[in-house]
Amino acid sequence: NAGVTQTPKFQVLKTGQSMTLQCAQDMNHEYMSWYRQDPGMGLRLIHYSVGAGITDQGEVPNGYNVSRSTTEDFPLRLLSAAPSQTSVYFCASSHRTGEAGGELFFGEGSRLTVL
Amino acid sequence: SQQGEEDPQALSIQEGENATMNCSYKTSINNLQWYRQNSGRGLVHLILIRSNEREKHSGRLRVTLDTSKKSSSLLITASRAADTASYFCATDPIQGAQKLVFGQGTRLTINP
Repeated sequence: NAGVTQTPKFQVLKTGQSMTLQCAQDMNHEYMSWYRQDPGMGLRLIHYSVGAGITDQGEVPNGYNVSRSTTEDFPLRLLSAAPSQTSVYFCASSHRTGEAGGELFFGEGSRLTVL
Repeated sequence: SQQGEEDPQALSIQEGENATMNCSYKTSINNLQWYRQNSGRGLVHLILIRSNEREKHSGRLRVTLDTSKKSSSLLITASRAADTASYFCATDPIQGAQKLVFGQGTRLTINP
């Protein structure tokens, strides 16, 4: 199993450009999520999904869109990049365990710089 | 808003010593989890402790949970150079389940 795969690993954008960060998992996990990690801020939840066709907002959703058309894929779209979106982005997935959160499996991260 | 706050922010010890990191949180939880992150890598799950558990062990790791004080601690015994990493606690709040909330992390350095 490859686990959680994120692409690209590095990306530089200009302000106003759009792009999609890809995330795929091969563990048949129902739950997938996107976090951003900034120095001194820990990880903050952007969006999450509890199954195909279902998405919801996390703590910092503004400027980002997601969709979940398949169990395996959960892309994160930046609509119009801003310097404040310079960050390291992590995709994570887990099995659902009733109503409680389970162990998250993380990708290796996508480092985004917006000029 | 960060649910978990970790203490200390940075810790430097000699190889072979024990390392203790603490996490405090604000709301009622289903469980609390600890993760490790090596520099430039993704986070790796270490251990999960449920709200009805008080202590859990995994190899050289010992986690305690005090729900009355809303706090947890992670103890790494007999530290090794390979334990050098950042350690994060993450809480699964009852209100908003499956939206794990991470603390800011403790940067642990093990000196040979």
